[in-house]
Amino acid sequence: DAMVIQNPRYQVTQFGKPVTLSCSQTLNHNVMYWYQQKSSQAPKLLFHYYDKDFNNEADTPDNFQSRRPNTSFCFLDIRSPGLGDTAMYLCATSRVGSSTELNYTFGSGTRLTVV
Amino acid sequence: RKEVEQDPGPFNVPEGATVAFNCTYSNSASQSFFWYRQDCRKEPKLLMSVYSSGNEDGRFTAQLNRASQYISLLIRDSKLSDSATYLCVVRRRGSQGNLIFGKGTKLSVKP
Repeated sequence: DAMVIQNPRYQVTQFGKPVTLSCSQTLNHNVMYWYQQKSSQAPKLLFHYYDKDFNNEADTPDNFQSRRPNTSFCFLDIRSPGLGDTAMYLCATSRVGSSTELNYTFGSGTRLTVV
Repeated sequence: RKEVEQDPGPFNVPEGATVAFNCTYSNSASQSFFWYRQDCRKEPKLLMSVYSSGNEDGRFTAQLNRASQYISLLIRDSKLSDSATYLCVVRRRGSQGNLIFGKGTKLSVKP
């Protein structure tokens, strides 16, 4: 089945140690998004790729970076994780230009704990 | 002011109750509106889109008032399996599909 896959499902990393989360999709969607969701809070958009074009949200810290080497893969890099970066990180995809509500697809998320 | 605001909850209701969730959005350029459901430690899942004319899907009814920038969700005859967090979501006009989420309202349906 076509889907959005995030790896790993759970990640524990040390304070200050760089960490990379991955997302892959078989839907051939042109847009990939990264959201951060802290406990009891709303998912917050960090950035997205429209094809190869990177779009950063104004309030996303510089500590968060992203790469999209091809249509199928997108990575979230946290250069120096702090304790406050402990959260669920959600990847989503969509095909902009069609009825978004029919194809916006989330991965299962990576639960990151910074210790 | 947050772009999407919801009742803080939690709502604790007995089975069979009718429960209503309210949501307001601040950006008049918002184009599309949705309710998502999120179970504990899971990803959000689309419950239903919200249209200006109002729409219904079984026990769920969604309403949109663009003039008031207000969205609602009504759940009738609530079931234990309805227990979850309900997220109000908007999409801005001209955005590349970016969804803006409310904080969510937690619903617990008790026997």
